[in-house]
Amino acid sequence: DTGVSQNPRHKITKRGQNVTFRCDPISEHNRLYWYRQTLGQGPEFLTYFQNEAQLEKSRLLSDRFSAERPKGSFSTLEIQRTEQGDSAMYLCASSLAVGGTEAFFGQGTRLTVV
Amino acid sequence: AQKITQTQPGMFVQEKEAVTLDCTYDTSDPSYGLFWYKQPSSGEMIFLIYQGSYDQQNATEGRYSLNFQKARKSANLVISASQLGDSAMYFCAMREFPTSGTYKYIFGTGTRLKVLA
Repeated sequence: DTGVSQNPRHKITKRGQNVTFRCDPISEHNRLYWYRQTLGQGPEFLTYFQNEAQLEKSRLLSDRFSAERPKGSFSTLEIQRTEQGDSAMYLCASSLAVGGTEAFFGQGTRLTVV
Repeated sequence: AQKITQTQPGMFVQEKEAVTLDCTYDTSDPSYGLFWYKQPSSGEMIFLIYQGSYDQQNATEGRYSLNFQKARKSANLVISASQLGDSAMYFCAMREFPTSGTYKYIFGTGTRLKVLA
């Protein structure tokens, strides 16, 4: 297993368009997290899944954002009607569902809305 | 509510010297974990070290050690013998281990470390 994989690595889109990002976690990890990171800031929590269940969503996740994890494997994050303020790095991480374990991060998808 | 505070936006250290990056946290849960991550300019988040709230000894991983002072709610990262490749952003993070509730990781705003030759 080569770690958490995110696609695409970069995405440039016009304002108002929809975009979808994909995250493939480490295969035995049943927790999957999405974070957003803007320049010079720490990652901000968006949502997380345990297996296929979405257990928590941040208030940052407006109704234009939706995330899914069908079958508890890969996950997608969709942003509808993108705005310039959505420009950021979107990070995916996965972890085991036991205490004391670190989250492993993918390399992120950098979104630029023009 | 969980909170992580990193008060040093930027730090400089001479190559081969040690440096301490500060982190304080706030939580009402007695069971939690503290993590440090490194983020080079390439963007990936690299896990460095972990400390559990009930661990009696400070965590160490190679040149990294965590100075855990539970009463002060601080979890400072010490990097010994700094190398040029240590230049990066460093993030402190926390995850509570409640019997029910959230399992999310909360991150600080980071410290940018520059190692000077």
